[in-house]
Amino acid sequence: ELKVEQNPLFLSMQEGKNYTIYCNYSTTSDRLYWYRQDPGKSLESLFVLLSNGAVKQEGRLMASLDTKARLSTLHITAAVHDLSATYFCAVDRNTGTASKLTFGTGTRLQVTL
Amino acid sequence: GAVVSQHPSRVICKSGTSVKIECRSLDFQATTMFWYRQFPKQSLMLMATSNEGSKATYEQGVEKDKFLINHASLTLSTLTVTSAHPEDSSFYICRCGDRVTEAFFGQGTRLTVV
Repeated sequence: ELKVEQNPLFLSMQEGKNYTIYCNYSTTSDRLYWYRQDPGKSLESLFVLLSNGAVKQEGRLMASLDTKARLSTLHITAAVHDLSATYFCAVDRNTGTASKLTFGTGTRLQVTL
Repeated sequence: GAVVSQHPSRVICKSGTSVKIECRSLDFQATTMFWYRQFPKQSLMLMATSNEGSKATYEQGVEKDKFLINHASLTLSTLTVTSAHPEDSSFYICRCGDRVTEAFFGQGTRLTVV
């Protein structure tokens, strides 16, 4: 059974600081996703990582994937209040599209002024 | 990007009644649809997967007679929560995909059973 763990579960950080969220998964995967969820809302897609060593950046967020270590990271640079949300990683094992995702536990990020 | 429309966004129903949630793919044909449930401050849990024209495949522990899923067309799937109880109160989210593009999430439905 595929298990996906994130840490930390909760992160409070000051504006301007850097931090990393970690996502570990238990079995081989073909794709890893990062999503953002605001309270009461659905998920917003941030990144899709398809191969070992993949790195993607958008604004203050950068995601990377190490398939050998079964680890993905989401790095936050110079955090701003608008980044406050819950972040989920999700993993699937199929090579085709529209496959099942197993979600991590989520990391609730609170950026304080 | 592709658009998935889910309705209603919020619904309150009385215990014992049934509620139907619709999920539509607006600009692509969704061969596969997934239904997730999310309790407060928890992660998303997959309830079932449906392929157009086929019966849904339910995850372990999900009652197929309670959560009826219909995927009769390539653009519409419905989830009906039958004989709803307060413990069914949750956030339900659909996810639609085709064979070409990535799958996309609907806006979610907040169900409250009173």
